[in-house]
Amino acid sequence: NAGVTQTPKFQVLKTGQSMTLQCAQDMNHNSMYWYRQDPGMGLRLIYYSASEGTTDKGEVPNGYNVSRLNKREFSLRLESAAPSQTSVYFCASSGGLAGSYTQYFGPGTRLTVL
Amino acid sequence: KQEVTQIPAALSVPEGENLVLNCSFTDSAIYNLQWFRQDPGKGLTSLLLIQSSQREQTSGRLNASLDKSSGRSTLYIAASQPGDSATYLCAAQYPGGSYIPTFGRGTSLIVHP
Repeated sequence: NAGVTQTPKFQVLKTGQSMTLQCAQDMNHNSMYWYRQDPGMGLRLIYYSASEGTTDKGEVPNGYNVSRLNKREFSLRLESAAPSQTSVYFCASSGGLAGSYTQYFGPGTRLTVL
Repeated sequence: KQEVTQIPAALSVPEGENLVLNCSFTDSAIYNLQWFRQDPGKGLTSLLLIQSSQREQTSGRLNASLDKSSGRSTLYIAASQPGDSATYLCAAQYPGGSYIPTFGRGTSLIVHP
């Protein structure tokens, strides 16, 4: 049981390049989330998926797109990376027993955009 | 907009001390309150989750309480150890929608030997 996994762990991009961050969970959770974490800003929600086949914008969606490929996988795409997108990106999932909405986080992807 | 505040932002204590971390939320119609730990360069690990119908939860040396009427939760760490050094975040979840949690910015704790 690996929990939430993210790839890659580190990435350096040049301005204008594109990339996809991958996330997968093996806990049969319905909901999945993408956050970014910046010093002094805390955790900010980019996009989330309440269930397979649905996605919704969070607090800071501009410059990002997501795909809920299936129940296990939720990817985040940067179409044209900008230095302002330098951050640590976390994927999370939640769901399971009714009334229990504990979020489980992946180890993060550290992205630098030059 | 719901807001979650954690005070203090940073705390340094000697080993063995009992300590309390504070979390305040503006909307008392809370569904649950979670406490997380984050080690440097790592993801968040859930420590405790308190449902709105509960007053507290305990796990080992950790005890978390919830007072909805005052909009506060506290995380009590007994007999602190250097291994407790980390950032502690709280997150409030509200009913409706997809239960998107609202996170505080965390308290950075250092326990020195």
